[in-house]
Amino acid sequence: EIVMTQSPATLSVSPGERATLSCRASQSVSSNLAWYQQKPGQAPRLLIYGASTRATGIPARFSGSGSGTEFTLTISSLQSEDFAVYYCQQYNNWYTFGQGTKLEIK
Amino acid sequence: EVQLVESGGGLIQPGGSLRLSCAASGFTVSSNYMSWVRQAPGKGLEWVSVIYSGGSTYYADSVKGRFTISRDNSKNTLYLQMNSLRAEDTAVYYCARQYYDYVWGSYYFDYWGQGTLVTVSS
Repeated sequence: EIVMTQSPATLSVSPGERATLSCRASQSVSSNLAWYQQKPGQAPRLLIYGASTRATGIPARFSGSGSGTEFTLTISSLQSEDFAVYYCQQYNNWYTFGQGTKLEIK
Repeated sequence: EVQLVESGGGLIQPGGSLRLSCAASGFTVSSNYMSWVRQAPGKGLEWVSVIYSGGSTYYADSVKGRFTISRDNSKNTLYLQMNSLRAEDTAVYYCARQYYDYVWGSYYFDYWGQGTLVTVSS
């Protein structure tokens, strides 16, 4: 099983600032990596697939990068609605998720 | 508009059975890969099962032999039959559509339902 490790577990950032979230795979997943946003009581929402392609309707302030085993989600200028939990997921070899990064207001 | 609506969750005793449903609209379930993903209270996401468009089914080791994924093409609905339920199966269960990425030849999860809560407790 491919293990996905996200860091940090919690990230405190002020509105308007940049947030950088990391995700590492235990073995190469090529670019078969997605990022999801989840708010309390809601389903996950697809942000990024193919490591760097924004899903339909996702604002340009969200960007993804990386390939192989190291991936990054960057939110360029945090808005109030961006504070949530973010999960990475590999779909290269079955499907596994990271444990999540909670993005909180500083 | 793509929509997924789960139902069938509830409180069930250990060892019991439950069938979850996921009614789809805006697309055809049988033409897509469809998965169930669960989330234990306060925890992360765990993939449970997938049914391919061709009908092949696969399961996480944690549910293999106890859960069965299926679909009813006439109702455009996905199901998850859960038997021999355990306390550790307590979670919100989401159905999700998988969409084909033509660039990388793989399937990512693009639409998710709102989830249905299954609580296994005596």
